[in-house]
Amino acid sequence: QQQVKQSPQSLIVQKGGISIINCAYENTAFDYFPWYQQFPGKGPALLIAIRPDVSEKKEGRFTISFNKSAKQFSLHIMDSQPGDSATYFCAASSYGNKLVFGAGTILRVKS
Amino acid sequence: DTGVSQNPRHKITKRGQNVTFRCDPISEHNRLYWYRQTLGQGPEFLTYFQNEAQLEKSRLLSDRFSAERPKGSFSTLEIQRTEQGDSAMYLCASRLDFSGNTIYFGEGSWLTVV
Repeated sequence: QQQVKQSPQSLIVQKGGISIINCAYENTAFDYFPWYQQFPGKGPALLIAIRPDVSEKKEGRFTISFNKSAKQFSLHIMDSQPGDSATYFCAASSYGNKLVFGAGTILRVKS
Repeated sequence: DTGVSQNPRHKITKRGQNVTFRCDPISEHNRLYWYRQTLGQGPEFLTYFQNEAQLEKSRLLSDRFSAERPKGSFSTLEIQRTEQGDSAMYLCASRLDFSGNTIYFGEGSWLTVV
């Protein structure tokens, strides 16, 4: 039972372009929405996270947009670089409990 | 800066053998999680501890799987009578209560059952 649906499965972006990854959730009890970045052979690393009381959070080139009514959130990577090529996972949790992950998006930034 | 440490990083075992993975969380982190990740999928929750108490177990954790966290420090995940379907990366993560929700992952332990 997939509680967090992520799209697209893969994405190719030119260097300097904007990468956009979308996620949708079902459980309205979720109150924490992080994005993780994972390189091959490594564990996931927290990139940025948001709570539902704000609609947008920006950290450097990474922005989360959150739409509570639509139960959707997205990750925008501005000025995408080849070093951003990785797998990105959205996730969600409620009340500090376990994270539920999306299926992941493989991002490739072409130089 | 010591993050979450997992050992061994790689394990190849024959079907039917038992394997054990160890996780050392970030110091003073009282919550410890185990996840499993297969190629092309997101991490799937297996179980978690608050201090030494195992508070939740996923239905994915069959009777062949057991996890412990003696004294609320390191944790072990044992898989008995391994099957080829157990081949995956086993991720450990930890978090400190009342510090926000950030969960920090280790590098994972790769298991290949042949």
